[in-house]
Amino acid sequence: AQSVTQLDSQVPVFEEAPVELRCNYSSSVSVYLFWYVQYPNQGLQLLLKYLSGSTLVKGINGFEAEFNKSQTSFHLRKPSVHISDTAEYFCAVSEADSWGKLQFGAGTQVVVTP
Amino acid sequence: DADVTQTPRNRITKTGKRIMLECSQTKGHDRMYWYRQDPGLGLRLIYYSFDVKDINKGEISDGYSVSRQAQAKFSLSLESAIPNQTALYFCATSDRTSGSVGTQYFGPGTRLLVL
Repeated sequence: AQSVTQLDSQVPVFEEAPVELRCNYSSSVSVYLFWYVQYPNQGLQLLLKYLSGSTLVKGINGFEAEFNKSQTSFHLRKPSVHISDTAEYFCAVSEADSWGKLQFGAGTQVVVTP
Repeated sequence: DADVTQTPRNRITKTGKRIMLECSQTKGHDRMYWYRQDPGLGLRLIYYSFDVKDINKGEISDGYSVSRQAQAKFSLSLESAIPNQTALYFCATSDRTSGSVGTQYFGPGTRLLVL
């Protein structure tokens, strides 16, 4: 069975500073990897995804993530955050034979302060 | 108009009551999902449906049932609500193309409180 671990439950960060959100997964088969964002009082929306090919994936709003198969990680980064990046971020995994079903991590709350 | 809508947005009910949460989508997607979100636990899959005649249990289906009335409508029922079903519930949709695997579109959520 697959599992997803987000190593930080909350990450405080100052505006214009970089941020990294860590995600590790475990699975016995090939996986697809995703980051979703949930802004306050909203549903989730896709930030970026890794299906195949280049291990560095760029998403919306200046975010990027790198798939590291040997370390089973998919960490999310942004070089300079804005106040509007305050949100909860979820890492998710889909096993290649699971027809697109997602297993979500517990989430990381990012709080950006001036 | 939103592509995925959920009604009601907020609901307070009492233990033992039957309630239904509804989800409608205008995206034309075949696949629909119900999740619950609890603080510190992320989202957990309750039920999913890959077409009108296909309904599958997810990770935490006990105490819940679903109905896929049409391609665009997927309802979640709590037959006899209990307090630990207090949570934020999300409906989501996706299509079946290989390039969109894992890309799901979420509704705004229904906040349920069971007293």
